[in-house]
Amino acid sequence: DQQVKQNSPSLSVQEGRISILNCDYTNSMFDYFLWYKKYPAEGPTFLISISSIKDKNEDGRFTVFLNKSAKHLSLHIVPSQPGDSAVYFCAASGAAGAGSYQLTFGKGTKLSVIP
Amino acid sequence: DTGVSQDPRHKITKRGQNVTFRCDPISEHNRLYWYRQTLGQGPEFLTYFQNEAQLEKSRLLSDRFSAERPKGSFSTLEIQRTEQGDSAMYLCASSLRLAGNTIYFGEGSWLTVV
Repeated sequence: DQQVKQNSPSLSVQEGRISILNCDYTNSMFDYFLWYKKYPAEGPTFLISISSIKDKNEDGRFTVFLNKSAKHLSLHIVPSQPGDSAVYFCAASGAAGAGSYQLTFGKGTKLSVIP
Repeated sequence: DTGVSQDPRHKITKRGQNVTFRCDPISEHNRLYWYRQTLGQGPEFLTYFQNEAQLEKSRLLSDRFSAERPKGSFSTLEIQRTEQGDSAMYLCASSLRLAGNTIYFGEGSWLTVV
């Protein structure tokens, strides 16, 4: 049972345009969400996070939107750059129990930014 | 560099051999995690330490897997009698807080079992 889903395995975007990566979750106990970026043969790098008390968090070119009622979050990258080409993972954690110390990850979306 | 450090970065071993991975967390972080990632999947939680106490180990994949953090600083993950299915990237991460926490990953240790 996949609690965090990234339904698009890949996405191609022209340099300078907006990249939108989507993530859906099923566990209503999740209250903290993160995006990580991963290059091949490296560990995931933290990008941006959002608490469930917010619906938007922005950091430079990266903005994460959270729609709790739809159990959906998205990562917007504007403008996209070739160096953004990587696999992006959505992750979630909860406030109590196992969810409080464990991140649950989606399968990732491979973003290719075309020069 | 004050990030999470893992060693070795790559390990090739024969089936049936034991392997050990080491992780040095970010110095002020008291929480340490081990995850595993296989091709096409996201990282999968294995175990978690708060200081030297291993507070969750039920997700370790089998009794061939064990982890220690003897002095609350570095940690080791050992896989005994390796199998080909153990081939994966083993990721260590650390954090300061518990709930609502951002964890920071190391570069990972690639294991190939031949």
